[in-house]
Amino acid sequence: AAGVIQSPRHLIKEKRETATLKCYPIPRHDTVYWYQQGPGQDPQFLISFYEKMQSDKGSIPDRFSAQQFSDYHSELNMSSLELGDSALYFCASSTVDRSFGYEQYFGPGTRLTVT
Amino acid sequence: KNQVEQSPQSLIILEGKNCTLQCNYTVSPFSNLRWYKQDTGRGPVSLTIMTFSENTKSNGRYTATLDADTKQSSLHITASQLSDSASYICVVPILGGSTLGRLYFGRGTQLTVWP
Repeated sequence: AAGVIQSPRHLIKEKRETATLKCYPIPRHDTVYWYQQGPGQDPQFLISFYEKMQSDKGSIPDRFSAQQFSDYHSELNMSSLELGDSALYFCASSTVDRSFGYEQYFGPGTRLTVT
Repeated sequence: KNQVEQSPQSLIILEGKNCTLQCNYTVSPFSNLRWYKQDTGRGPVSLTIMTFSENTKSNGRYTATLDADTKQSSLHITASQLSDSASYICVVPILGGSTLGRLYFGRGTQLTVWP
């Protein structure tokens, strides 16, 4: 079965650079979520999109922005990178499930290292 | 405050033995609780979903319980295998209002199975 695809899987950037992470949801899923997981930390919700519109916003820094495109893939843009941005970034996708609400399926993550 | 707490933080068991992981939550409104398995550097993979009306659910060697009154859940792993070594995360979604679909993660229990 198709899963959530994230690219790139690994990314190394220097401080103050810009990074773009991409997420391709499971086909027919209309909602995308972004999470940030620092070393030894639990995932922190950043932002979500439903039908190409922002549906919820969490602890996303102002230096980050994201959007969902017409084909439902999403991109997380990160500017003025800081050392503290080094983390595993997960994307998850879902669709409405009347039994369980919004079952989220996670991608493999993008490991961002800022040097 | 919405929180998900897990115990123990880490656990080491011998191959073939059983173990039980605990999760306490204060997320409201409550609809369901999910257990995920996360291998190092990989995305979380769903093991089971417990709705508020379910007390016990099994998925192979995994058995989850839920007590919605005391807001506690457990994940029991029987006949552990080396491949069970991973972080087990308890997750509770919020399904209402502006935080639609947002997940609250526990810190996870790091399980290590020794041969």
